[in-house]
Amino acid sequence: GAVVSQHPSRVICKSGTSVKIECRSLDFQATTMFWYRQFPKQSLMLMATSNEGSKATYEQGVEKDKFLINHASLTLSTLTVTSAHPEDSSFYICSAMRVTSGGARYNEQFFGPGTRLTVL
Amino acid sequence: AQSVAQPEDQVNVAEGNPLTVKCTYSVSGNPYLFWYVQYPNRGLQFLLKYITGDNLVKGSYGFEAEFNKSQTSFHLKKPSALVSDSALYFCAVRDVGGTASKLTFGTGTRLQVTL
Repeated sequence: GAVVSQHPSRVICKSGTSVKIECRSLDFQATTMFWYRQFPKQSLMLMATSNEGSKATYEQGVEKDKFLINHASLTLSTLTVTSAHPEDSSFYICSAMRVTSGGARYNEQFFGPGTRLTVL
Repeated sequence: AQSVAQPEDQVNVAEGNPLTVKCTYSVSGNPYLFWYVQYPNRGLQFLLKYITGDNLVKGSYGFEAEFNKSQTSFHLKKPSALVSDSALYFCAVRDVGGTASKLTFGTGTRLQVTL
């Protein structure tokens, strides 16, 4: 099956620093990856759609200058939380979309294990 | 805009009993529906999906879901619950008629299976 990894799984940083989270599709190429944020006991909120070789598309209310997304290759997307603050503490989950030959309806998203960010 | 509702924050069931986790959806085009499970501090694991075809979809770990177009529902079911099924369950919808095949998730339902 398709595997998506995230690194690191947990990170603790000081307020004001930047943190980079990697999302990799290990056994398939993904032109599109998604970044989600999940607050405790809440659903996943889509932050942005990452497209290989082009700018990410951010959801309304998500600061693109704070959450920098780079999708430099077909297997890697990175999310950088810049000048992190305690309110950025959250569980960040990525997913990678595997395109199938049957058409868009059959495209599948595979999720990474998530990254727990704690900003002190 | 597409949306998903999971009306129950938590469902409690005894091991061996059948379980149902409810989901209703709203989408402008054809609905593509998914169920995912999340264990503590983990990402989402795919359980099953409805794209087209039979309304009863069978998935992983003995779970199944029934697509009901008239009731716009996609309830998750299992004939006999296990303690290990205890987790957070998310229903999601994707409207391929829209852009980027984005998934919209429900708020999640915590399933607690007890002995």
